[in-house]
Amino acid sequence: SQQGEEDPQALSIQEGENATMNCSYKTSINNLQWYRQNSGRGLVHLILIRSNEREKHSGRLRVTLDTSKKSSSLLITASRAADTASYFCATNDNMLTFGGGTRLMVKP
Amino acid sequence: DGGITQSPKYLFRKEGQNVTLSCEQNLNHDAMYWYRQDPGQGLRLIYYSQIVNDFQKGDIAEGYSVSREKKESFPLTVTSAQKNPTAFYLCASSITGTFFYGYTFGSGTRLTVV
Repeated sequence: SQQGEEDPQALSIQEGENATMNCSYKTSINNLQWYRQNSGRGLVHLILIRSNEREKHSGRLRVTLDTSKKSSSLLITASRAADTASYFCATNDNMLTFGGGTRLMVKP
Repeated sequence: DGGITQSPKYLFRKEGQNVTLSCEQNLNHDAMYWYRQDPGQGLRLIYYSQIVNDFQKGDIAEGYSVSREKKESFPLTVTSAQKNPTAFYLCASSITGTFFYGYTFGSGTRLTVV
């Protein structure tokens, strides 16, 4: 039951550029979350957006949610080499279900 | 500091052997979860528990078993019935209901069959 699906699967950008990742899901949700995973580590919660919200900001992160299209996007502005990681979206319909992630590489 | 601790960080299992992965949290979270991650892949849910003494199968429960005797602890046993157990295992916890704010993950256990 893989609810969230991220795209692109991989993204390579230069430091200072913006990175946009997208997530699509299949059924109605209460909220959608984005997580970051550095290689070989656990996931770190970045941001949660509720189904009645359309946009949310946290530092250099901007998340949008379009429930009519069942999609969300994560924008990282002014990217840094330290942003290199895999990014996952997840939805909470009683349990957390993840997509396969977007692997972001930010080149110095 | 509150958090979720997985141990060991690395674990090696011989063919036909059962092994148990530990997950402990001091966040007072009601719900706990186990995920499996294969290289370059997303997370797949093995088991979850929303209350003590109760747990539910996830998408890939075959070959695994869990217990939830205490709120703080949710150990995962990888049995000999799991034919391809080499993977990265992640434990997570959360509160449930209105005040849900996201999941807290442990740092993972990498299991290798030798």
